[in-house]
Amino acid sequence: KAGVTQTPRYLIKTRGQQVTLSCSPISGHRSVSWYQQTPGQGLQFLFEYFSETQRNKGNFPGRFSGRQFSNSRSEMNVSTLELGDSALYLCASSSTGTDGNTIYFGEGSWLTVV
Amino acid sequence: QKEVEQNSGPLSVPEGAIASLNCTYSDRGSQSFFWYRQYSGKSPELIMFIYSNGDKEDGRFTAQLNKASQYVSLLIRDSQPSDSATYLCAVHGSSNTGKLIFGQGTTLQVKP
Repeated sequence: KAGVTQTPRYLIKTRGQQVTLSCSPISGHRSVSWYQQTPGQGLQFLFEYFSETQRNKGNFPGRFSGRQFSNSRSEMNVSTLELGDSALYLCASSSTGTDGNTIYFGEGSWLTVV
Repeated sequence: QKEVEQNSGPLSVPEGAIASLNCTYSDRGSQSFFWYRQYSGKSPELIMFIYSNGDKEDGRFTAQLNKASQYVSLLIRDSQPSDSATYLCAVHGSSNTGKLIFGQGTTLQVKP
């Protein structure tokens, strides 16, 4: 059974640009969550999508957005990139999104903003 | 007060010893609790999850939950150098979402 797939794995962007990251969840998982991990702030929740609807959102500015498609694949977008957006962006796939008894992470997308 | 607290460490144990990692949380309505292991430069890997008070064992790992004390722990028996990593405690809250709240992680060093 394939795991959570994230693309691209590594990318370098310039301040002011935008970036789109993609996530394919484990087959059958309908909930996809996104997290940002930085050395200073740790793992922080960005947002969660379930059945194409955003169900919860963390405390991030509106530059961070996402969406989910009918096949459960998800994308997140960051516009007007800032140096502080450099981080590991992780996608988590969950079987139910309620009790969350199986929440698995993809390998992540390493974003560097220069 | 942080929602999920862990001692950042590093926690250093000799090979073969028991490593004990601890985590406290503030939301009494939290439903389920997860332990992830993260090697440097890698993504978090799910080790165990626990819902009910008491112990849950899986191989060399035992998760312990005490909801009254809002405390969850992870014991690693017969620690190996390959267990050296950062261990993240994550709490799934009382709301009906897939959101996890993470602690800052405890760095474990197992010395040969």
